[in-house]
Amino acid sequence: NAGVTQTPKFQVLKTGQSMTLQCAQDMNHEYMSWYRQDPGMGLRLIHYSVGAGITDQGEVPNGYNVSRSTTEDFPLRLLSAAPSQTSVYFCASSPDRYTDTQYFGPGTRLTVL
Amino acid sequence: QQPVQSPQAVILREGEDAVINCSSSKALYSVHWYRQKHGEAPVFLMILLKGGEQKGHEKISASFNEKKQQSSLYLTASQLSYSGTYFCGTEGYNQGGKLIFGQGTELSVKP
Repeated sequence: NAGVTQTPKFQVLKTGQSMTLQCAQDMNHEYMSWYRQDPGMGLRLIHYSVGAGITDQGEVPNGYNVSRSTTEDFPLRLLSAAPSQTSVYFCASSPDRYTDTQYFGPGTRLTVL
Repeated sequence: QQPVQSPQAVILREGEDAVINCSSSKALYSVHWYRQKHGEAPVFLMILLKGGEQKGHEKISASFNEKKQQSSLYLTASQLSYSGTYFCGTEGYNQGGKLIFGQGTELSVKP
């Protein structure tokens, strides 16, 4: 199993540009989530999904969209990038949303100029 | 609402013990603990589900006091490999499975 994969690993955007961060898992996990990590702020939940076709907002959803058309993929879209979205983004998946570990992807380091 | 971790940072000598605390203002269903090395993704340590439950993972253990909405992570006889940032993640009741993380505790173990 490849586990949780994220692409790209690094990305530089200009203010106003849009892009999609890709996340895929091959463990047949129902629960997937996106976090951003800023220095001193820990991990903040952006959006999450409890299964294909079902998504919900986390702590900091503004400026981001998600969809879950398949169990395997959970892309995160930045609609109009802003410097405040400069961060490291982690995707995670779990077989059970309540009682099991989350497996994190390697992260995407995004810089918005 | 984000749980609060304390201390924010701690420096240990190899072999010393440490305790990291995690407190929430809301009723908790579970507490998760993760460790993150610099430049890497967080790695799962353990989950605690019941009030008063205690779990162990080698020389790292944790307790969860559901009534006080608090959890503590105990690191005994610390090793150099324990260095990193420790995060607690909390899930409340009727929260749809949202896992909210604290701001982290940076642990440095020196030889």
